[in-house]
Amino acid sequence: EVQLVESGGGLVKPGGSLRLSCAASGFTFNDYTMNWLRQPPEKGLEWVSSVSTSSGYIYYGDSVKGRFTISRDNAKNSLFLQMSSLRPEDTAVYYCARGDISASGWKFFAHWGQGTLVTVSS
Amino acid sequence: DIQMTQSPSSLSASVGDRVTITCRASQSISGHLNWYQHKPGRAPKLLIYGAAILQRGVPSRFTGSGSGTDFTLTITSPQPEDFATYYCQQSYSTPWTFGQGTKVEIK
Repeated sequence: EVQLVESGGGLVKPGGSLRLSCAASGFTFNDYTMNWLRQPPEKGLEWVSSVSTSSGYIYYGDSVKGRFTISRDNAKNSLFLQMSSLRPEDTAVYYCARGDISASGWKFFAHWGQGTLVTVSS
Repeated sequence: DIQMTQSPSSLSASVGDRVTITCRASQSISGHLNWYQHKPGRAPKLLIYGAAILQRGVPSRFTGSGSGTDFTLTITSPQPEDFATYYCQQSYSTPWTFGQGTKVEIK
């Protein structure tokens, strides 16, 4: 069974930093692109960042570019998100999700973690 | 960036009604459209990918249709467990973008 477990969330002051982790199990981690997504309170889902299997391709949403860094450790089946220069608008539940591609080439997020809450407030 | 617009933002339905949610992309995305169900405190759940392909294990009362810019999610005879928020998401190009969500509530 695919499992994704996020950790590292918490309360941080504006301008501060936080590092999120996602522990993966139940699949061959280094075969999949991995992603971070988030949901601010009372708002919709937002894609944050993606990292390819060997970290050769990395993408960020405009709202976090230059402040967040995604990384992975394939030996430890782990995904990370280093967040710096945090703003109140970064307050959200952060989800780790596996990137899947069907045989026909359709891309989607079939497996998500339960999320970890990040609150940015003074 | 591709903008995704869902309608309605919320609706009330009774068990057994037919529910239809629409999603419009700001440019053609062919069939690169996914639908997710999200309940509070839970991980989002993939329902449909490729605009119309039912994810394994999802009940057949969920159907997706559309291509290009206009897409529809239909729930025929919704059950109590189907009351949730639904999101469309385009997987045509990064940044991957979502609709604002449609909250389906019990009438």
